[in-house]
Amino acid sequence: DIQMTQSPSSLSASVGDRVTITCRASQNVYTYVNWYKQEPGKAPNLLIYAASSLRSGVPARFSGSGSGTDFTLTITTLQPEDFATYYCQQSYSAGTFGQGTKVEIK
Amino acid sequence: EVLLEESGGGLAQPGRSLRLSCAASGFKFDDYGLHWVRQVPGKGLEWVAGISWNSGSTGYADSVRGRFTISRDNAKNSLYLRMNSLRPEDTALYHCVRDIYGDYLWYFEYWGQGTLVTVSS
Repeated sequence: DIQMTQSPSSLSASVGDRVTITCRASQNVYTYVNWYKQEPGKAPNLLIYAASSLRSGVPARFSGSGSGTDFTLTITTLQPEDFATYYCQQSYSAGTFGQGTKVEIK
Repeated sequence: EVLLEESGGGLAQPGRSLRLSCAASGFKFDDYGLHWVRQVPGKGLEWVAGISWNSGSTGYADSVRGRFTISRDNAKNSLYLRMNSLRPEDTALYHCVRDIYGDYLWYFEYWGQGTLVTVSS
């Protein structure tokens, strides 16, 4: 099974900050990585697919990059609605998720 | 608007069975692959099973293979998950999820709110 390891597991940030979350795959997954945002009590929401493609309707302050085993989700100017938990997920084989990164208000 | 509404969850004893259903609307159902993804409340996410648009291919996580069966009825715009030999570790919120593509390629684009399954004696 392919393991996805996110870091950090949590972070504190302020509105307006630039935030970066990283995800490492246990083997080469090319660009088969997606990113999701989950707010408390809600289902996850797809933000980025194929490592860097922004889903329609998702604000442009979200971006993704990477290939192979190392991937990054960046939020350029953190907004109040961005405080949530973020998950990476590989779609190369059996769709495993990272353990999540909780973005909290500083 | 894409809507996915799960039902059929509840309390089951270890070793027993449950059948989950998902009613879909707002899109052409037989154009898309579908999945079940589960989440233990307060914990992480686990893909459970997927099915292609025409039921021609299905796939399962190792943790449920041989016990769970995914199926769909395109005439009824419905997805199902038959869960046999339930274990306490199957306790989770089960989400019905639509793929971006016609096959189950693990791109989880639209999610239902989930139905809670609790396995306990």
